[in-house]
Amino acid sequence: AQKITQTQPGMFVQEKEAVTLDCTYDTSDPSYGLFWYKQPSSGEMIFLIYQGSYDQQNATEGRYSLNFQKARKSANLVISASQLGDSAMYFCAMRERNAGNMLTFGGGTRLMVKP
Amino acid sequence: DVKVTQSSRYLVKRTGEKVFLECVQDMDHENMFWYRQDPGLGLRLIYFSYDVKMKEKGDIPEGYSVSREKKERFSLILESASTNQTSMYLCASSLPARSPNYEQYFGPGTRLTVT
Repeated sequence: AQKITQTQPGMFVQEKEAVTLDCTYDTSDPSYGLFWYKQPSSGEMIFLIYQGSYDQQNATEGRYSLNFQKARKSANLVISASQLGDSAMYFCAMRERNAGNMLTFGGGTRLMVKP
Repeated sequence: DVKVTQSSRYLVKRTGEKVFLECVQDMDHENMFWYRQDPGLGLRLIYFSYDVKMKEKGDIPEGYSVSREKKERFSLILESASTNQTSMYLCASSLPARSPNYEQYFGPGTRLTVT
């Protein structure tokens, strides 16, 4: 079974609007962390935001927030006030305590911001 | 700022050639990783290393080997390149998993084409 599922291969959003990128995960490990990365066309992966499984509050970093619903095993990324520079691939990833140092990535979502 | 560099952005090799992909990080990170990225599949871990001369297989190690003789350098070796190894290769580094700031820092990637 896929550990990380991103069901939206591609999405459009109008500039200045908010957008939600979906991520669901599968783990039986009670201790895990969830990450979101952005990959612009230049290719480099840029870390955006992190949520720990025991964190009580949803993580936020500037215009990025993580809508963490533990019971549903979802960790959706919300980008507020989209900008043209947000056009990129976005990857959700998980690190399980039992997996040690390794991250498991989803297939990615390509976000396209329309002017 | 963490800097992870990769020896080439683009590489074209012939079937059967031995290929070396080099990665260097300047933040004294213990962990280093090699991924390949293919459309729709996200990033898949090939090998990682948690210390000098230490390595562990990831999800898709077949056809690859690695070398870590110095802490800052992690090399990926394709012993006999094949066309199905045409892909984007990404190197990453991180602190150990026990660290609160665990995120992985990525290099710009090497797009390898095997003809």
